Amino acid sequence: NAGVTQTPKFQVLKTGQSMTLQCAQDMNHEYMSWYRQDPGMGLRLIHYSVGAGITDQGEVPNGYNVSRSTTEDFPLRLLSAAPSQTSVYFCASSYNQAGGAVQQYFGPGTRLTVT
Amino acid sequence: GENVEQHPSTLSVQEGDSAVIKCTYSDSASNYFPWYKQELGKRPQLIIDIRSNVGEKKDQRIAVTLNKTAKHFSLHITETQPEDSAVYFCAASTFSGNQFYFGTGTSLTVIP
Repeated sequence: NAGVTQTPKFQVLKTGQSMTLQCAQDMNHEYMSWYRQDPGMGLRLIHYSVGAGITDQGEVPNGYNVSRSTTEDFPLRLLSAAPSQTSVYFCASSYNQAGGAVQQYFGPGTRLTVT
Repeated sequence: GENVEQHPSTLSVQEGDSAVIKCTYSDSASNYFPWYKQELGKRPQLIIDIRSNVGEKKDQRIAVTLNKTAKHFSLHITETQPEDSAVYFCAASTFSGNQFYFGTGTSLTVIP
């Protein structure tokens, strides 16, 4: 199992450009999430999905779009990049357990710089 | 929504001493509390977790305690080693498990 994979590892964008951060998992997990990590602020939830075709907003969704057409993939789109979106982005997945929440598995992260 | 607060933000201990990191949460519906360790440039990795029906859980040198009434939970690391140096995050999630809320992290330095 590759687990959770993310591409690219590093990206530099100019203000106003758009791009898609890719995330894939091969563990057949229902739940997938996107977080951004900024110094001193921990991980903040951007968007999440509870299954193919179902997405919802997290704490900081503005400026980002997601879709979930398959169980495996959960891409994050930056519509018009802004310097405030400079951050490290982590994708995570977990499975749905009847007894309650279970641990999330994180991807390696994408370091994004917007100039 | 849930609000998770974590203290301290930085912690330095001598090798062999104990380290304690504390978190509080606001949503009484939260019932799953994982702790993650993140080394520089790496992804967060789960080190221990606890559910609301348990008051304490231990795994070798690491333990977590939970006080549901006070809405706080703590990470205890005993006999610290230099390789314990990292950033530690607490988190909280409800029964549904589709949203996790993280604390702001504690940078632990173990001095040899």
